[in-house]
Amino acid sequence: DTGVSQDPRHKITKRGQNVTFRCDPISEHNRLYWYRQTLGQGPEFLTYFQNEAQLEKSRLLSDRFSAERPKGSFSTLEIQRTEQGDSAMYLCASSSTQRLAGALPFFGPGTRLTVL
Amino acid sequence: GDSVTQMEGPVTLSEEAFLTINCTYTATGYPSLFWYVQYPGEGLQLLLKATKADDKGSNKGFEATYRKETTSFHLEKGSVQVSDSAVYFCALSAISNTGKLIFGQGTTLQVKP
Repeated sequence: DTGVSQDPRHKITKRGQNVTFRCDPISEHNRLYWYRQTLGQGPEFLTYFQNEAQLEKSRLLSDRFSAERPKGSFSTLEIQRTEQGDSAMYLCASSSTQRLAGALPFFGPGTRLTVL
Repeated sequence: GDSVTQMEGPVTLSEEAFLTINCTYTATGYPSLFWYVQYPGEGLQLLLKATKADDKGSNKGFEATYRKETTSFHLEKGSVQVSDSAVYFCALSAISNTGKLIFGQGTTLQVKP
């Protein structure tokens, strides 16, 4: 297992288009997180899953954003009707509830979205 | 709500200089605290952590001590190298134990030979 993977690594789209990102967590991890990182800022929490259940959503996650984890393994994050303000790095992280010390997450390399 | 504040960067140092990056937090209860590092073109990596007051996290010559009385978790290194050039993020994990992290805005460190 080489860690958390994300696809694509880069995405350029035009305003108004829909985009979908995929995250494959570390195989034994049951928790999966999505964060957004804009230039010069720290990552901001968007949502997280435990197995297939989406347990928390940030107010940052507008109704144009939807995330799924249908079988409790990989996850997708879809943004509908993209806006230029959606341009950011989208990070995925995973963790296990079996870990000690607060379920420490491991991060993927991110998907950089540019909306023209 | 919970929050993390870091000193603004960039921080520019000469090789072998002493490094301090300040981090303070606001949180309900006693969260776990972390420093993450992001090297150019790479993902976030955990650098060190501390889970309770007075704990000292350490890794690769970096250290940070969880200070409850000052709500701080400052990152220090006695002698920086050019290879330490990166963006450093302070973060906390809420006591709800969901694994959700709240990050500071990041501090860019540039080390010159």
